[in-house]
Amino acid sequence: KQEVTQIPAALSVPEGENLVLNCSFTDSAIYNLQWFRQDPGKGLTSLLLIQSSQREQTSGRLNASLDKSSGRSTLYIAASQPGDSATYLCAVIEEYGNKLVFGAGTILRVKS
Amino acid sequence: GAVVSQHPSRVICKSGTSVKIECRSLDFQATTMFWYRQFPKQSLMLMATSNEGSKATYEQGVEKDKFLINHASLTLSTLTVTSAHPEDSSFYICSASQQETQYFGPGTRLLVL
Repeated sequence: KQEVTQIPAALSVPEGENLVLNCSFTDSAIYNLQWFRQDPGKGLTSLLLIQSSQREQTSGRLNASLDKSSGRSTLYIAASQPGDSATYLCAVIEEYGNKLVFGAGTILRVKS
Repeated sequence: GAVVSQHPSRVICKSGTSVKIECRSLDFQATTMFWYRQFPKQSLMLMATSNEGSKATYEQGVEKDKFLINHASLTLSTLTVTSAHPEDSSFYICSASQQETQYFGPGTRLLVL
C-alpha cells in the first residue's frame, strides 16, 4: 500500500528565506507526483506536477524535484513571502491507478 | 478553465438528518470524479471514485450505504451523507478528472450537531 510522508509537519521561517519541503513515498511505481497548496478552510490549488519520467519542474519561485527510484521529492521555495503561508500537500498517482495518495502536509508560516 | 464548484460551502445540520453535497465541473466534462474527506490538520483521504453512469467505487472502510454517491451526468456528482452524526463532521472535497489531471473543488464544511 502506497504511503506518502511529508517532513517537516510544520515550518516557520522569516520572510525572504529559501526553504525546502520534503516528501517521500514507499512505492516507487508512480505515474506522477503533484504538489498542492491549501489555504485554511479552502480547496486545493495545484502547484507543480512532475511526470515519473521527469526530474524536476519549475514555476516562478517554486521548483519541485523528483527522485523516483529513491521515492523522494522536494519542493523548493525561493525568497519566501508571507503570502506563501499555507499547507503544502504532496500526492502521488500510482503507475496503474488513477487515485491520488496524499501526504499529511507541511504547514508553512512565513513571518514578515 | 477546469473549474470545479461545490455546493454548499458550509452546512450545519442536526444529528440524524441527511445532507447532500454537489460537485460540478463548470467548463469541462468529467467522466470520473473523486470524493475526499479531510479531518482537521490531517490530509485528504479518498472516500470513493465516482464514474458517470455507473456505481461508485468505495475505499476500504467507507460505508457505501452511509455515503451515497450519484454521478448522473458528466458535470455533476453528488455525495449524500445519510443519517449524519457528529463524527461525520468534516471537510469534504471533490475533484473532477480531465485528461489525467484532477481539479479540486473548494470544499464543503459539514458540522453535525
